[in-house]
Amino acid sequence: GAGVSQTPSNKVTEKGKYVELRCDPISGHTALYWYRQSLGQGPEFLIYFQGTGAADDSGLPNDRFFAVRPEGSVSTLKIQRTERGDSAVYLCASSLSSGGQNEQFFGPGTRLTVL
Amino acid sequence: AQSVTQLDSQVPVFEEAPVELRCNYSSSVSVYLFWYVQYPNQGLQLLLKYLSGSTLVKGINGFEAEFNKSQTSFHLRKPSVHISDTAEYFCAVSDLSTDKLIFGTGTRLQVFP
Repeated sequence: GAGVSQTPSNKVTEKGKYVELRCDPISGHTALYWYRQSLGQGPEFLIYFQGTGAADDSGLPNDRFFAVRPEGSVSTLKIQRTERGDSAVYLCASSLSSGGQNEQFFGPGTRLTVL
Repeated sequence: AQSVTQLDSQVPVFEEAPVELRCNYSSSVSVYLFWYVQYPNQGLQLLLKYLSGSTLVKGINGFEAEFNKSQTSFHLRKPSVHISDTAEYFCAVSDLSTDKLIFGTGTRLQVFP
């Protein structure tokens, strides 16, 4: 079956521009997570959705970052006024349901480069 | 708040040798523990997890890990590595009240022929 997919795989943008990163979770998975992985670091939690609502957005670094999941499936991570420090690989994961014991299945990531 | 420490950024080893990748965590509450592997140009894949019960956990590809509560450790081991085990390995923790994973900085396992 299909895993978690993310588009685009690579995104190059200029400082100050707006970007959207898309995540398609595994069908039937109600929980969806966004992480950010900077070079040489482990993934860092950004936000987690249970259904359509953001259950925990404590990892969003500032108000330039926003994520939605309007129909409880696909999610979009939106970054306004991008900065060079936003350059990283953005990872999406999904799990069958909420609960820390459930396996999170990760997508291949979107590599964002801000020039 | 939880944190995870992976002291070894790189571990070189010859094929068929045993390997141990170290992971220590810090938490004031009970936790779940995970090891993920990231092969080149691929997404993170779960190797194994500890939720409760037996402290020795067996995962895929011949890996196992042992939860040691007194030492707050969850070291990953494999008795005989293969070239194909070359990858980045991440230890992660979550607590019982949240779903987010806190990851360590990763250990790059390089297996030489």
